[in-house]
Amino acid sequence: GQSLEQPSEVTAVEGAIVQINCTYQTSGFYGLSWYQQHDGGAPTFLSYNALDGLEETGRFSSFLSRSDSYGYLLLQELQMKDSASYFCAVPTSGNTPLVFGKGTRLSVIA
Amino acid sequence: DTEVTQTPKHLVMGMTNKKSLKCEQHMGHRAMYWYKQKAKKPPELMFVYSYEKLSINESVPSRFSPECPNSSLLNLHLHALQPEDSALYLCASSQVLGQPGAEQFFGPGTRLTVL
Repeated sequence: GQSLEQPSEVTAVEGAIVQINCTYQTSGFYGLSWYQQHDGGAPTFLSYNALDGLEETGRFSSFLSRSDSYGYLLLQELQMKDSASYFCAVPTSGNTPLVFGKGTRLSVIA
Repeated sequence: DTEVTQTPKHLVMGMTNKKSLKCEQHMGHRAMYWYKQKAKKPPELMFVYSYEKLSINESVPSRFSPECPNSSLLNLHLHALQPEDSALYLCASSQVLGQPGAEQFFGPGTRLTVL
């Protein structure tokens, strides 16, 4: 089976940088995805890391260390609109469907 | 068009009712999914369709019955639900099954309340 651990809540100041960590235990690992979900909204895809290292997409970056079973999402130049829940997720048995972590609720304050 | 649509947005039903949730996408995706999400919890996979055939059923009770009439449509038929089935039901799609990192496109969900 798969299990993913991430902090339940994080608060950060507008304009700052925040890192959301995710550790995982999986029977077979293919990669780590990140999704954002605003209250009342649909999850939206942010990134996928299959290999070790940092992937950057605008203000958001995602990092993976397969040897440490660890990844993180880095959000820079935080904006109020970044207040949302962030989920790390892994494919089920190497397939496309996802098992999600419990989510980290990010609150950006002025 | 990179949108997944779901109807209705909200649904209230009694335990003896029969209702259906609908999902539609026109991105040419051949994998479609139903997830259930309770408040302040992550989405949980229920069903997966690949090329209009049921590929995965995550041991979902039979009171939930999925259907994929064609490559663009996905239904979830509901019958004799329990109050604990109240949740946000999310539909998603991706190009095909079997691509571990493939982006899933989620619809806005149907918020279901069972009385």
